[in-house]
Amino acid sequence: SAVISQKPSRDICQRGTSLTIQCQVDSQVTMMFWYRQQPGQSLTLIATANQGSEATYESGFVIDKFPISRPNLTFSTLTVSNMSPEDSSIYLCSVEAAGLPTDTQYFGPGTRLTVL
Amino acid sequence: SQELEQSPQSLIVQEGKNLTINCTSSKTLYGLYWYKQKYGEGLIFLMMLQKGGEEKSHEKITAKLDEKKQQSSLHITASQPSHAGIYLCGADPFNAGGTSYGKLTFGQGTILTVHP
Repeated sequence: SAVISQKPSRDICQRGTSLTIQCQVDSQVTMMFWYRQQPGQSLTLIATANQGSEATYESGFVIDKFPISRPNLTFSTLTVSNMSPEDSSIYLCSVEAAGLPTDTQYFGPGTRLTVL
Repeated sequence: SQELEQSPQSLIVQEGKNLTINCTSSKTLYGLYWYKQKYGEGLIFLMMLQKGGEEKSHEKITAKLDEKKQQSSLHITASQPSHAGIYLCGADPFNAGGTSYGKLTFGQGTILTVHP
């Protein structure tokens, strides 16, 4: 399994500002992902955070709005830029970790973002 | 695109009762994940099913994947208030190479309330 921590756990931000969310894993993992969960909704994949190269974004998400860094195999950041109230969501990072009999995806505790 | 339908959307049961949550995919799956989420928090990994006909149990929770690998059920026996939360199924579809990209698509979730 993998133990994942996220910072901050929650924040309240003003419109037009940016927030960087950190994700730390207790072991080296190949695959790291960022998801968004809007109020009352299920999870939607934002992007795959690639170590040593640019993140791979899903349809509807762009790098200018959600820049992602992955400097090593245990850490990633997601920035929510130029925030608006529509960005109010829970942001979760996940990792694919080695498991038996197959790799398994684990999620962090989430960052609850409120934009005023 | 992969679509997952969960049913029911919400469930209210009396403590001690058994219950079942269903998850149906529009496509054959590489893997089917079940997670539990407390309100506003991260996802807790429950089980991952990969083989047709597979069944896994953990404590009082049993998950099954049908032979066609398109439908899964989560069964809770003798429910307790600690089982309350949102249950999410996540699908990892096959790609052209027959392996996984690790990107999960989620159902809309089932809200479970257990009355003592």
